[in-house]
Amino acid sequence: GENVEQHPSTLSVQEGDSAVIKCTYSDSASNYFPWYKQELGKRPQLIIDIRSNVGEKKDQRIAVTLNKTAKHFSLHITETQPEDSAVYFCAASIESNYQLIWGAGTKLIIKP
Amino acid sequence: NAGVTQTPKFQVLKTGQSMTLQCAQDMNHEYMSWYRQDPGMGLRLIHYSVGAGITDQGEVPNGYNVSRSTTEDFPLRLLSAAPSQTSVYFCASSYSLRSNQPQHFGDGTRLSIL
Repeated sequence: GENVEQHPSTLSVQEGDSAVIKCTYSDSASNYFPWYKQELGKRPQLIIDIRSNVGEKKDQRIAVTLNKTAKHFSLHITETQPEDSAVYFCAASIESNYQLIWGAGTKLIIKP
Repeated sequence: NAGVTQTPKFQVLKTGQSMTLQCAQDMNHEYMSWYRQDPGMGLRLIHYSVGAGITDQGEVPNGYNVSRSTTEDFPLRLLSAAPSQTSVYFCASSYSLRSNQPQHFGDGTRLSIL
């Protein structure tokens, strides 16, 4: 079955710098890759997603890139702000399946 | 719209007790699911449903039962609580996972088993 690995587990960046979180997946049939943000004690919330027919997607300071050949996808956050501090999760799924497989999460710390 | 509503928010049980975690959504979503989240880990799928009367097992189904008698409700039952089931439980729904639509999460139930 699908397996998703996420790195790093903790990322500390200076406010205003960029942050990059990477995920790899094992099943080449996976075609949907969402990213969720979870603040302490809160629910996960979708921040951006990408489908396999697209190589990159942007939404203001957030972007996701997908490399299907290498089976990895990355979250890029530019001009980081204190409110970006949270745990970020990647996930992958196959459209013909009904299960999202999640990475273990990355704790992003924005230093003032 | 309330979205996805989970009750209770907190619960403490003794080993061997049973209980039901409630989940309801008012978005007419086909797909509903239950996850557990343990410290330092990602979400793991317990059970899911693609419509009323249809349920299936996820990655970690042992010790849990579900049913889906209506589109709106998807309760999760712990049959005989064990300390290993101490976790935060999230219910989620989406219009259709087959179409790869975003999942909407409830606020979670924090469950402790003594």
